[in-house]
Amino acid sequence: AQKVTQAQTEISVVEKEDVTLDCVYETRDTTYYLFWYKQPPSGELVFLIRRNSFDEQNEISGRYSWNFQKSTSSFNFTITASQVVDSAVYFCALSGIDTGANSKLTFGKGITLSVRP
Amino acid sequence: GAVVSQHPSRVICKSGTSVKIECRSLDFQATTMFWYRQFPKQSLMLMATSNEGSKATYEQGVEKDKFLINHASLTLSTLTVTSAHPEDSSFYICSAREVRTGGAQDTQYFGPGTRLTVL
Repeated sequence: AQKVTQAQTEISVVEKEDVTLDCVYETRDTTYYLFWYKQPPSGELVFLIRRNSFDEQNEISGRYSWNFQKSTSSFNFTITASQVVDSAVYFCALSGIDTGANSKLTFGKGITLSVRP
Repeated sequence: GAVVSQHPSRVICKSGTSVKIECRSLDFQATTMFWYRQFPKQSLMLMATSNEGSKATYEQGVEKDKFLINHASLTLSTLTVTSAHPEDSSFYICSAREVRTGGAQDTQYFGPGTRLTVL
C-alpha cells in the first residue's frame, strides 16, 4: 500500500522567510511518481512538480526547490523568500507509473502555510 | 495547456434532489478522469476512476448507485449525486490525466472544484 505523510499540519512564517515543507512516502513500487500541489483558498489544486523515482536530481524553479532523497523516502519542498501569495495548503502525493489503477494519486494530509506580511 | 474545467462551481440543492457535476479537459484528451471529495480542512479522498467508454472503478466504501459517473467522451466526465442528503455536502474535485505519447509521462490536472451544499 502507498502512504504519504506530511507531519507538519500548519506552518506560519513572516514574509521573506524561507520555509521547508516535509514529505515522507512509503511504497512497494520500484518506480513511481511524486508530486506537489498547491491549493489556495479558492480551492483549485495547482500542479507544482512531478518527479520520477529514477531521477534524484534536485530541482529549482524560481523561489521553489525540491529535495528528493530516495534513501530516506523524502521529497521536501522549500520556498525561498516566502510571499503572502504563497499562503495555501500544500499537498504531497504519490502514484505508480503504470497506467490504470496504479496511476491513482495518494495524497498526504496537506500542510497549511500562512505567510504574514 | 492542460486546463480542466468543472461546472457548476457552486450548487445548493434541497435534500432528495440529484445534482450533476461536469468535468471537462479543455485542451487535451483524457482517457482517465478521477473524482475526489474533500471535506473542510482535510485531504482529498479518491471516490472513483472514470475511464472513457467503460464503467467507472469505485473506491471501497463509495456507493456506486449514489454517485453515478459517466465518461462519455475523451474530454467529458460527469458525476451525478443522486438523492442528495446533507451529509453529501462537500467539495468535489475532478482531475484529468494527460497521457503524453511515447512515454510514461503523465500528470493529473485538477478542475477548480464544485462546492455542493445540500439543505
